[in-house]
Amino acid sequence: DTGVSQNPRHKITKRGQNVTFRCDPISEHNRLYWYRQTLGQGPEFLTYFQNEAQLEKSRLLSDRFSAERPKGSFSTLEIQRTEQGDSAMYLCASSDLTGRATEAFFGQGTRLTVV
Amino acid sequence: GNSVTQMEGPVTLSEEAFLTINCTYTATGYPSLFWYVQYPGEGLQLLLKATKADDKGSNKGFEATYRKETTSFHLEKGSVQVSDSAVYFCALSDNNAGNMLTFGGGTRLMVKP
Repeated sequence: DTGVSQNPRHKITKRGQNVTFRCDPISEHNRLYWYRQTLGQGPEFLTYFQNEAQLEKSRLLSDRFSAERPKGSFSTLEIQRTEQGDSAMYLCASSDLTGRATEAFFGQGTRLTVV
Repeated sequence: GNSVTQMEGPVTLSEEAFLTINCTYTATGYPSLFWYVQYPGEGLQLLLKATKADDKGSNKGFEATYRKETTSFHLEKGSVQVSDSAVYFCALSDNNAGNMLTFGGGTRLMVKP
């Protein structure tokens, strides 16, 4: 297993367009997280899944943001009607639900630029 | 809510100098604490962790001790190398909220030869 994989690595889109990012977690991991990181800041939690169930989505930034994990494996994050303020690095992480400190492993992220 | 505050950078040191990056947190309950590192052009990597008060996490010469009385988790290294140049993030994991991570703003470390 090569770790958490995110595609694409970079995305440039025009304002108003929809974009979708994909995350493939480490294969045996049942938890999957999405974070957003803007320049010079720490990552900000957006949402997470346990298997296919989305257990927290109140932190999604607006109703333009949605995420799915239909079969409990890969996940997608969609942003509709993109705005310039959506430009950021979108990070995916996965963890295995065992023990108390379930450390998260991060992918390299998808950098979104909205022009 | 939960929050993490870490010292602002950049921190610039000469090789073999002693490093301290301060981190304090606010949390309900008993979080786990982490330091993540982001090398240039790479993703976040876990550096070390501590799950309960007085635990010491260590890795690659870095150490941090979970201090509940001062709500701190300061990162230290006795002798930094040029290869340690990176951005360091302190984070806490809320064990009652799906282990979501709350991060500090990051501290950029630059080590000069």
